[in-house]
Amino acid sequence: DTGVSQDPRHKITKRGQNVTFRCDPISEHNRLYWYRQTLGQGPEFLTYFQNEAQLEKSRLLSDRFSAERPKGSFSTLEIQRTEQGDSAMYLCASSFLAGGAFFGQGTRLTVV
Amino acid sequence: QKEVEQNSGPLSVPEGAIASLNCTYSDRVSQSFFWYRQYSGKSPELIMSIYSNGDKEDGRFTAQLNKASQYVSLLIRDSQPSDSATYLCAVIPDYKLSFGAGTTVTVRA
Repeated sequence: DTGVSQDPRHKITKRGQNVTFRCDPISEHNRLYWYRQTLGQGPEFLTYFQNEAQLEKSRLLSDRFSAERPKGSFSTLEIQRTEQGDSAMYLCASSFLAGGAFFGQGTRLTVV
Repeated sequence: QKEVEQNSGPLSVPEGAIASLNCTYSDRVSQSFFWYRQYSGKSPELIMSIYSNGDKEDGRFTAQLNKASQYVSLLIRDSQPSDSATYLCAVIPDYKLSFGAGTTVTVRA
């Protein structure tokens, strides 16, 4: 399967714990996006990379969120000191430059 | 003003009818426009890309772009129950891909 892969698919964590999600993009894609989506809303932009460079991070994103994409390959999204409001679906997508982006299956985070 | 706005739903159409979805965007320099379909509990799936003014057809789907009016639409012809989903409009205004809130379509058998 050469699509976008996300791991884990589901994560339940206690409030205050740190969590890390991984995304493996389509191999020839140089752009990688992270989004958060809650019920009834469109995907909310978090951050994106072109190759290994993080080019933009949402102003709405607190300092508890950080993302990396070492060597321009896979990416990780870490949330520190999780809060109940962080419960959402976290989506990763990749594209080649400004072409259409393809999404992974998402990681559903539940903070209890 | 939101970067991407879609017509409010939900939209209910009878089987075999045309479903019409509309989207406006705020950044005049946007060059890339997309429609995604999202089934409940699933991630968005790219169904159409359009980059120049005019119409683009792919099977039962037609995307229409008017850059002067900052407007992009999606027509679904001969709607089927399997078309019942949320449709998301997406635009690249600068370098990031920005989404509208989506319009939920229900096709009545």
